[in-house]
Amino acid sequence: EAGVAQSPRYKIIEKRQSVAFWCNPISGHATLYWYQQILGQGPKLLIQFQNNGVVDDSQLPKDRFSAERLKGVDSTLKIQPAKLEDSAVYLCASSLHNTQYFGPGTRLTVL
Amino acid sequence: DQQVKQNSPSLSVQEGRISILNCDYTNSMFDYFLWYKKYPAEGPTFLISISSIKDKNEDGRFTVFLNKSAKHLSLHIVPSQPGDSAVYFCAAQRNTGNQFYFGTGTSLTVIP
Repeated sequence: EAGVAQSPRYKIIEKRQSVAFWCNPISGHATLYWYQQILGQGPKLLIQFQNNGVVDDSQLPKDRFSAERLKGVDSTLKIQPAKLEDSAVYLCASSLHNTQYFGPGTRLTVL
Repeated sequence: DQQVKQNSPSLSVQEGRISILNCDYTNSMFDYFLWYKKYPAEGPTFLISISSIKDKNEDGRFTVFLNKSAKHLSLHIVPSQPGDSAVYFCAAQRNTGNQFYFGTGTSLTVIP
């Protein structure tokens, strides 16, 4: 069974630029999550999708972050414009029941 | 507000001995708990879970204990192996389908 795929693995941008991350969840997993993990901290939920609907986006900074889940499968997370404090690993996870399966993450560095 | 806490940032254990990683939570409504293991440059990997209706779950060398009255769970690894060296996160959930709350992680080093 293929795992959660994410791309790119690494991204370096300058502040005020835009960036987008892509996630392909495990086939059949209805729930998809985007997390932000800052160095030394645990993953923090940004947004949770159930199929193509948003379940929880209460911690998503909506003035600069946006996410969509195309046809209830793939998802993209966008930051526009980026700030220095957005430097982090962005993790995508999917789940069928109670257990989440994570992708390898995208490490974003904002200079 | 950190609802799941791992107060030990790091732990070193000799190979073959027991590793005990601890996790505390504040929300008594959490009913499902998980442990994840994370290697550098990889995403967290699911290790073991426990429902609040149980107080112990065992899978090979890994055992998770849940003390609901103390709002505390622990992960025991016996015997510890060098390949167990990683960062371990505990996570908690209230009701299926709701978000997971993660601790800050404990970095385990198993010394050969």
